[in-house]
Amino acid sequence: KNQVEQSPQSLIILEGKNCTLQCNYTVSPFSNLRWYKQDTGRGPVSLTIMTFSENTKSNGRYTATLDADTKQSSLHITASQLSDSASYICVVSSKAAGNKLTFGGGTRVLVKP
Amino acid sequence: KAGVTQTPRYLIKTRGQQVTLSCSPISGHRSVSWYQQTPGQGLQFLFEYFSETQRNKGNFPGRFSGRQFSNSRSEMNVSTLELGDSALYLCASSLWLAGASSYNEQFFGPGTRLTVL
Repeated sequence: KNQVEQSPQSLIILEGKNCTLQCNYTVSPFSNLRWYKQDTGRGPVSLTIMTFSENTKSNGRYTATLDADTKQSSLHITASQLSDSASYICVVSSKAAGNKLTFGGGTRVLVKP
Repeated sequence: KAGVTQTPRYLIKTRGQQVTLSCSPISGHRSVSWYQQTPGQGLQFLFEYFSETQRNKGNFPGRFSGRQFSNSRSEMNVSTLELGDSALYLCASSLWLAGASSYNEQFFGPGTRLTVL
């Protein structure tokens, strides 16, 4: 069964600190992996999309890594800001079944001043 | 360019009623997907439409249905509402580039918050 597991479920960090979110998946055959940021009450916004051949991709202070062999991804937030408080969702696309997306449960990040 | 719009933003219904939600994709986008988001289940895929045809469907009962119009606007309908249908319903649109279907980035709307009493 295709699954995407994220950890931790929630995280509290101080403004200016770094943090790393984890995503493990069993989706096969793998097509691509996406990280989304979702502010409370809003729709998710794409941060990065990575295919099998990409092992790192950055978007400002957000850096995503992908290890397709171990089926793990991480999202690193550098020098966190209060506006980084949000849910971060890992989504994996499978080449099979019409490229259906499998969503992780998300990690809720709270940045405190 | 305007983003994905969804109407209404908030809706309160009672059990047994039916509801129709609307989604207008980004101009030029031809694919529209619908998702249900609840605190317990997270984001779950409902269905995807392209050129007025349903291309993919998630594991939801037949009470959930949708359609897409020739201008790519989409509607989803939920009949015989249950308490468990209370959720944020999100619509996402994408360009749908032939040959790069798995890479098409999805742009989400703000969602419709449905409360079933």
